[in-house]
This record gives sequence, C-alpha cells and structure tokens, in this order.
Amino acid sequence: DAKTTQPNSMESNEEEPVHLPCNHSTISGTDYIHWYRQLPSQGPEYVIHGLTSNVNNRMASLAIAEDRKSSTLILHRATLRDAAVYYCILRGTSGRGSTLGRLYFGRGTQLTVWP
Amino acid sequence: GAGVSQSPSNKVTEKGKDVELRCDPISGHTALYWYRQSLGQGLEFLIYFQGNSAPDKSGLPSDRFSAERTGGSVSTLTIQRTQQEDSAVYLCASSLGFLSRDGYTFGSGTRLTVV
Repeated sequence: DAKTTQPNSMESNEEEPVHLPCNHSTISGTDYIHWYRQLPSQGPEYVIHGLTSNVNNRMASLAIAEDRKSSTLILHRATLRDAAVYYCILRGTSGRGSTLGRLYFGRGTQLTVWP
Repeated sequence: GAGVSQSPSNKVTEKGKDVELRCDPISGHTALYWYRQSLGQGLEFLIYFQGNSAPDKSGLPSDRFSAERTGGSVSTLTIQRTQQEDSAVYLCASSLGFLSRDGYTFGSGTRLTVV
C-alpha cells in the first residue's frame, strides 16, 4: 500500500485559510495525489487531485512539493460546511498488481471549523 | 444518473439472514468499487469491478461476501448468514476507469445493522 501520513486533527476559525498537510515519502513517479473529504453521515467526496504541478479548482488548491514527498490542501476561506475528515490518498496508475487503481483510505485529518 | 445511487439507505436484519445491497453507478463509468466503513473507522476496500469482471476480490472479508455486476452497470453486494460484525456502512463508488486519473464518485451508502 502506498502510505500517507496526516495529522489526526486540525482546527480553524471561519473565514480563515486552512492548510492541511500530507506526507507521502514513498510516492512513485506515476502515483497521483488525491484528496477526498467526508462530511458526517455522508460518503466521501472528491476534492482535488494532482501529479506534479499545483492545482486549483472551485473547492480548494493543492500545493505539491517539488520532490513530491509531501503536499498541502489549501482551503482559502474555511466555512462551517468545510468541517469534515480530509483524506490524502495516492492513486497508482501504472505498474502491475491487482491493487492498481484502488484508493487506500487512512484515518485522515478531522477538521474542526469554529464560528 | 447524476450520481451514484445505493439502495436501501438503511437495512436492519437479523443475524443469520442474507442481505443484498445495490449500487447503480454513474452512466458511462466502467469502474465500480465497494468499500465498507465501521463506526468511527476508516474505509475498508472490499472489491472492484472493471466492466463486469472483478480482477481484485482480495478485500472481501470472508466467503459469506460476494458481489456481481451485470451489463457493466448495476452491482449487487450479497452478504450471506449475516453476523453482527458485518454491521457497517457499505459504500459504493464509480469512476471512468480503474486506471483513470479522475476521482471516484461515492454514493451515500447503505447502513447495515445486524441484530
């Protein structure tokens, strides 16, 4: 399994930026970095993904270190609705093995947003 | 459809009974995945399908669990002789392809309670 390491929990105040870190020192050259979040009593929701370059979409930004051994999910202005568990996941897209293409969900980071 | 649809949303069954959980993926998504999530835990991979075939069944916890997919669309996860430890939320997801760099779309899950 391609492993990622995230803090168990983080807190933020509403309207402030949030930087959620993820370490993935064993990443391979063909692994994509995916972020999902899971709100209470819901299935996980795709947030963003990238390979080497930083990525932006309507939900968040993804900053990827030059050596790709770490990444940071950036929520530019946290809202109460952003309170969720955030998962950083590596997705393999080449190589061999029946585990190709699977997503491995760790424990993620529980984000608390204070009003 | 617009999203991944799972039914039923909730299922309470007696220990020893069989249950069937249904997943209707997004139209055109060839890859379909089953995960389960026990209370307060992360997501546990069960099985995935590429089209109608299941190249990776390694996550099924026992031979009481089986899954099939017909017509490259709807999938059914069957649990025979249910046990209390089978109680969990069963989540289905789909993606364009199992090697797709795109994200998964998850359904809202089926909450299974074995009493």
